[in-house]
Amino acid sequence: AQSVTQLGSHVSVSEGALVLLRCNYSSSVPPYLFWYVQYPNQGLQLLLKYTSAATLVKGINGFEAEFKKSETSFHLTKPSAHMSDAAEYFCAVTSSTGTASKLTFGTGTRLQVTL
Amino acid sequence: DTGVSQDPRHKITKRGQNVTFRCDPISEHNRLYWYRQTLGQGPEFLTYFQNEAQLEKSRLLSDRFSAERPKGSFSTLEIQRTEQGDSAMYLCASSFSLTGSGNTIYFGEGSWLTVV
Repeated sequence: AQSVTQLGSHVSVSEGALVLLRCNYSSSVPPYLFWYVQYPNQGLQLLLKYTSAATLVKGINGFEAEFKKSETSFHLTKPSAHMSDAAEYFCAVTSSTGTASKLTFGTGTRLQVTL
Repeated sequence: DTGVSQDPRHKITKRGQNVTFRCDPISEHNRLYWYRQTLGQGPEFLTYFQNEAQLEKSRLLSDRFSAERPKGSFSTLEIQRTEQGDSAMYLCASSFSLTGSGNTIYFGEGSWLTVV
């Protein structure tokens, strides 16, 4: 079975500050990992994904994440927060050995950006 | 570029009524997924299709839920005899893959269900 744990249901940063959203995974096989963003009353948009190529993954809107197998982590970062980054962020995992991309999501982290 | 579209976006229904949601995936995507998301939670997998075949169903999908994907194109999710606990957002997603996993899954904007 696979799972992800997102530490911190709410994170608040000032505009221009570093954004760090934490995600730890559990998987008995090599995982594929994803970060999605959800704006209010909308569906999910893919930010970035790790599929066993480079461990540092760059995504859209200036976000990036680093896969660390030794720490079973896939934390999401952005050097400088913008007001438009305020949203809910979900980490998700699927098995690299599975036959379908069924995703298991974390409970989400709500990012608040203040002036 | 047309994304995944879902209809209706919002539905309010009385307990005991049946509701049906429709999903149109991205053209030529062979996989289609249904997820459910309740307030404060991440999406939970319900079921998925490869072309017209329903290949996996979550135990979350009770007997009151049925999903179809005739002809491997659009899909419908029907909930019979709705209960208040069915209130959630139902997300449809699609992807293209010949084998394996790791391909990008694209989500629609969801269909909100409120059972009163």
